[in-house]
Amino acid sequence: AQSVAQPEDQVNVAEGNPLTVKCTYSVSGNPYLFWYVQYPNRGLQFLLKYITGDNLVKGSYGFEAEFNKSQTSFHLKKPSALVSDSALYFCAVSSDSGAGSYQLTFGKGTKLSVIP
Amino acid sequence: SQTIHQWPATLVQPVGSPLSLECTVEGTSNPNLYWYRQAAGRGLQLLFYSVGIGQISSEVPQNLSASRPQDRQFILSSKKLLLSDSGFYLCAWSVTGGWTEAFFGQGTRLTVV
Repeated sequence: AQSVAQPEDQVNVAEGNPLTVKCTYSVSGNPYLFWYVQYPNRGLQFLLKYITGDNLVKGSYGFEAEFNKSQTSFHLKKPSALVSDSALYFCAVSSDSGAGSYQLTFGKGTKLSVIP
Repeated sequence: SQTIHQWPATLVQPVGSPLSLECTVEGTSNPNLYWYRQAAGRGLQLLFYSVGIGQISSEVPQNLSASRPQDRQFILSSKKLLLSDSGFYLCAWSVTGGWTEAFFGQGTRLTVV
């Protein structure tokens, strides 16, 4: 079965500093990796995805993520955090084989707080 | 462009009452449809998914059921709500294939009292 781990419940970062939100995954077959953001009482918004190709993926609002196959990681990054980036971030995985393939499995979420 | 509608936005229901949440998608055909529940503002639990009309897969045993009477309509129901059914319910859709992202509705905040 596929799974996603987000080891940090909360990440605090000062405005203007770089931010990283960590994600590791486990799948059978090739992974398809996604990041979503959720603001309070709202649905999830898609940020970016890795399917194949370049390991560094750029997405919405200046976010990017780096796929590392050997470490089975897909960390979300941003060079300079904004207060408006404060939200709940979810990593998700699907795959092309194995039990539960083609279904999104989500991590438990990481709350990002950007301090002015 | 594709859009997803989910209603109502908030709902307060007494224990033992029925439930019906509706989700519709516009601008696409034969989408995969999903119902998730999010408890305490945290992780998402997949409740049901559907790859076509009348095709429903349940991920966890629960007091809920789902139906897909039309291609782009997905309904979450319960005959008798429990306190534990409280939560934030999210509908989502995706095109067929694991490489595509899912798009989410705005969610329904259900409080069972």
